[in-house]
Amino acid sequence: QVQLVQSGPEAKKPGASVNISCKASEYTFTEYAIHWLRQAPGQRLEWMGWVNPGSGNARYSQTLEGRITITRDTSATTSYMQLTSLKPEDTAVYYCARLDWFGDLYPTFDSWGQGTLVTVAS
Amino acid sequence: DIQMTQSPFSLSASVGDRVTITCRASRSISNYLNWYQQKPGKAPEVLISAASSLQSGVPSRFSGSGSGTLFTLSISSLQPEDFATYFCQQSFSNPYTFGQGTKLQIK
Repeated sequence: QVQLVQSGPEAKKPGASVNISCKASEYTFTEYAIHWLRQAPGQRLEWMGWVNPGSGNARYSQTLEGRITITRDTSATTSYMQLTSLKPEDTAVYYCARLDWFGDLYPTFDSWGQGTLVTVAS
Repeated sequence: DIQMTQSPFSLSASVGDRVTITCRASRSISNYLNWYQQKPGKAPEVLISAASSLQSGVPSRFSGSGSGTLFTLSISSLQPEDFATYFCQQSFSNPYTFGQGTKLQIK
C-alpha cells in the first residue's frame, strides 16, 4: 500500500524557514510526481508546487515563487519542501501528495501524507 | 487561475438521506474534476476522478456528474461514516485549485 509519511509539527518565528520531509514507500518513487499543498485554518486547500522525482525538476505557485524550494532524494525516496521568510499567514497544515494519472488522462492526488502543522508566531 | 465554488458551505442531513453538493468552475474544465472526502485531522481521500468515475474501493452510494463548469457529488443513502467535509478540485490546468469545501453534518 502506497505510503507518504511526513515529518512532525513545527513552530517557527516570523522570518524563519521551515523544512518538511515526505518519505514515500511501496511504489517506484521516480514514476510519480510529488506535489505539496497547504490548508490554512478555515481555508481551502492551496497548491504550492511539485517535483518530478525522476529529473528533480520543480515548479512552483506564482504566489510562493522565491520563497519555496521543493527537492527530492531518490536514494531516500523522500521529497523535501522548504519555505523561507515565514509569515503568520503561513500557519497551516502542509501536505505532500502523489499525483496519479487516472485512466492515463486525469491528474488525481491519489495518496496523501498525514499532514504537518506549521505554526508561525512571535 | 480557475476559481472553484462549492455550495452549500454546510449541510445537515440524517442517516439514510440523499444529499447533493454542487461545484462550479469559473471556466470550462471539461471533466477534469475530482472529489475528495476529508475527516477531521486526516488527509483528504479521493472519491471520484474525471467527474464521474469512482475510485477503487469507494462505495457505490457516491456518484458524480457534470462537465464544463457545473458538477455535482451525490450520496444516495448517507451512512454514519459519510459525515465529513467534501471538496472539489479541478485538474484541467495548473495551478490545480480547490473548492472551499462542504461540511456535511448529522442533523
